[in-house]
Amino acid sequence: EVQLVESGGGLVQPGGSLRLSCAASGFSFSTYVMYWVRQAPGKGLEFVSVIRTNGGTIYYADSVKGRFTISRDNSKNTLYLQMGSLRAEDMAVYYCARDGGGLFKYYLDYWGQGTLVTVSS
Amino acid sequence: HSALTQPASVSGSPGQSITISCTGTSSDVGSYNLVSWYQQHPGKAPKLMIYEVNKWPSGVSNRFSGSKSGNTASLTISGLQAEDEADYHCCSYAGSSTLVFGGGTKLTVL
Repeated sequence: EVQLVESGGGLVQPGGSLRLSCAASGFSFSTYVMYWVRQAPGKGLEFVSVIRTNGGTIYYADSVKGRFTISRDNSKNTLYLQMGSLRAEDMAVYYCARDGGGLFKYYLDYWGQGTLVTVSS
Repeated sequence: HSALTQPASVSGSPGQSITISCTGTSSDVGSYNLVSWYQQHPGKAPKLMIYEVNKWPSGVSNRFSGSKSGNTASLTISGLQAEDEADYHCCSYAGSSTLVFGGGTKLTVL
């Protein structure tokens, strides 16, 4: 059974940093493109970042470029999102999700349960 | 890319059909047959319902169907059931390996 389990969310002050993790199991993690998607309270979904299987190709939404860093450790079956210079508008539930086709099919077939990031002083 | 445009809410009675629209631009929806739809119940993670405009993932009912014309994609749910009440989000490939989502549509089953 495919499982994605996020962790690392919590309360952080504006300007602070946080690292999210997503532990994957039940599939060959190293062969799938992985995404981070977020959802602000009461709002729609927003693409945050994507990383190719070997970490060699990475893209970010303009809203987080230069502040967030996506990475993966295929030996640990884990996806990461290092978030810095956090702003109030970054407050959201952060989901990790798997690319449906493995290699850039651009749909998300499995999602984690999400981890809440609250940015407040 | 700006968010795709979806109606904030739609409603229908059990057994009826409803359609949710998702309007983008010639740079996203209009350029690629890479539109997907997600169902999200309150407090839950999104669930893939349609991919590549009109394909069903394994286990998804064929009461859900997708289509696209120009810059607008649509999700149709036929034979509405109470459990279909949820938020629905559209998504399109937007180039450079990025995705753009819609604002979400709340479906109410009357």
